[in-house]
Amino acid sequence: GAVVSQHPSWVICKSGTSVKIECRSLDFQATTMFWYRQFPKQSLMLMATSNEGSKATYEQGVEKDKFLINHASLTLSTLTVTSAHPEDSSFYICSARDRATEQFFGPGTRLTVL
Amino acid sequence: GDSVTQMEGPVTLSEEAFLTINCTYTATGYPSLFWYVQYPGEGLQLLLKATKADDKGSNKGFEATYRKETTSFHLEKGSVQVSDSAVYFCALSDPPGAGSYQLTFGKGTKLSVIP
Repeated sequence: GAVVSQHPSWVICKSGTSVKIECRSLDFQATTMFWYRQFPKQSLMLMATSNEGSKATYEQGVEKDKFLINHASLTLSTLTVTSAHPEDSSFYICSARDRATEQFFGPGTRLTVL
Repeated sequence: GDSVTQMEGPVTLSEEAFLTINCTYTATGYPSLFWYVQYPGEGLQLLLKATKADDKGSNKGFEATYRKETTSFHLEKGSVQVSDSAVYFCALSDPPGAGSYQLTFGKGTKLSVIP
């Protein structure tokens, strides 16, 4: 199947700093990428949907100025957590969809904000 | 809105035991239904799917049948192996061609298979 990578796999940062997470589709062009957040023992919550070259669509309750999403190419999307705080600590997962309907998921990024 | 409810875990089974993980959904129309599996340290992988009522998805010995009348998509396997230990997520999306490919997930069920 298609491969999606995320970098970094884990990151620890100080409160108030910004963190960038990359999501790449390695062997296909992703027309749409999705960003999810997963809390311990809970489901994946969709944060936003991004299409290449256009602004991301954020789900209700997700602060777009807090979670900046850029989808500059068909193989790369980035999520920047700005001015991170401890409550932003979570597991962030991206997925990418090609021209078919299936989504391919990255391995996730564990963010810990001290 | 759409929602997915799956049985709480964790589930612990002995090798070769029969597995059932219940999943029910709430949605308008005829959503597509999925089971994803997440092995330790890895991303979610599509295990199987069904896009219309009475369809049966199957893969790696796992099966699930789309039951419109009971709004269910229960996951089953006749004989589990240690390598099946993972977290299993039930999910739904709009029907094919509806335009939205967003997935709504259940909370996940952790399965541990012991030798």
